[in-house]
Amino acid sequence: DAKTTQPPSMDCAEGRAANLPCNHSTISGNEYVYWYRQIHSQGPQYIIHGLKNNETNEMASLIITEDRKSSTLILPHATLRDTAVYYCIVNNAGNMLTFGGGTRLMVKP
Amino acid sequence: DAGITQSPRYKITETGRQVTLMCHQTWSHSYMFWYRQDLGHGLRLIYYSAAADITDKGEVPDGYVVSRSKTENFPLTLESATRSQTSVYFCASRDTGSGEWNEQFFGPGTRLTVL
Repeated sequence: DAKTTQPPSMDCAEGRAANLPCNHSTISGNEYVYWYRQIHSQGPQYIIHGLKNNETNEMASLIITEDRKSSTLILPHATLRDTAVYYCIVNNAGNMLTFGGGTRLMVKP
Repeated sequence: DAGITQSPRYKITETGRQVTLMCHQTWSHSYMFWYRQDLGHGLRLIYYSAAADITDKGEVPDGYVVSRSKTENFPLTLESATRSQTSVYFCASRDTGSGEWNEQFFGPGTRLTVL
């Protein structure tokens, strides 16, 4: 599986959009981009995934660049409850989800 | 209760003792997983199971044993616990479904301390 690079931490003001970047320059053609988050002391929670096209669901939007070498997770109106560690994972739909260090997002009032 | 549960939630044991962590899911998901998360780090896959009686090693299987006699249960056993196995253990499950749908559902975790 391809590796990902994420900034270790980010801050965001409550109510503003949180844009979390992820680099995955070695992603292969059949690998998906998945995003999970882990709120303190809880198990990770699936957010969204995509292959080539941008995706949106009730939680977030996923923007994948045309060359697929990077992506951005967007939380359109961040709340204090969105404070968590966000993991970007690339995977070929197999079973080995590899969680890196993630980005610790702090949403501030 | 529907969902995925783990027991115990907290466990303190001593080096050399056998410890079993339990995981139960009510969705009849085919796949189940065990991860460990050390302080300040991401999750690492220990073992997973594609169905009852089918298990496979993950990234860090040494020192652990799993079994899956029933679809809904996936116990993890530390046969002789070591201090390096102090960690938070998460169980997860997912349905077979479409290959791209790799949404795993995680339990609340078990915090294990080995003295």
